Amino acid sequence: KAGVTQTPRYLIKTRGQQVTLSCSPISGHRSVSWYQQTPGQGLQFLFEYFSETQRNKGNFPGRFSGRQFSNSRSEMNVSTLELGDSALYLCASSLASASGGTGELFFGEGSRLTVL
Amino acid sequence: SQQGEEDPQALSIQEGENATMNCSYKTSINNLQWYRQNSGRGLVHLILIRSNEREKHSGRLRVTLDTSKKSSSLLITASRAADTASYFCATDAKGGYNKLIFGAGTRLAVHP
Repeated sequence: KAGVTQTPRYLIKTRGQQVTLSCSPISGHRSVSWYQQTPGQGLQFLFEYFSETQRNKGNFPGRFSGRQFSNSRSEMNVSTLELGDSALYLCASSLASASGGTGELFFGEGSRLTVL
Repeated sequence: SQQGEEDPQALSIQEGENATMNCSYKTSINNLQWYRQNSGRGLVHLILIRSNEREKHSGRLRVTLDTSKKSSSLLITASRAADTASYFCATDAKGGYNKLIFGAGTRLAVHP
């Protein structure tokens, strides 16, 4: 079974630009969540989607957004990039149910964003 | 702010020794998980322990959970060089949907 696939793996942007990151979950997984990892703040939850609906959102500004498609693939977008947005962005999928709860997450290798 | 706090921040041992990492958290939980991350890579799930469990084993891993002290420990027995990685504990927020709150992690170096 293929794992979680994230693209692109590496990208460099300049301040003020926007970026879109993509995540393909494991087949059959309907929940996709996103995390940001930085040396200073560690791993922080961005948002979670289930069946195209955002069910949970972390404490990030509105510049960070996401969506999920009918095939469970997900994208996240960061607009008006700032230097502090440089991070490893990790996507995770799970067999979460509609009733909620948290189980084992399967992570992708991440997209490393550098903002210059 | 992160809920989980881990200690030590870094641990250096020789192959064959045991490695113990500790995690503390602040609020009530449904479960606590441990993940491993090789440098700059994705996280790999190691073990999940539910709030009504006190101990769990998986291969060379042993996890304990003390909900009265809001703490957990991960023991890796007979460490190998391949165990070199960062280890994170993560707690779920009650009522949350796959929202894990991660600790700062412990960097483990196992020397041959």
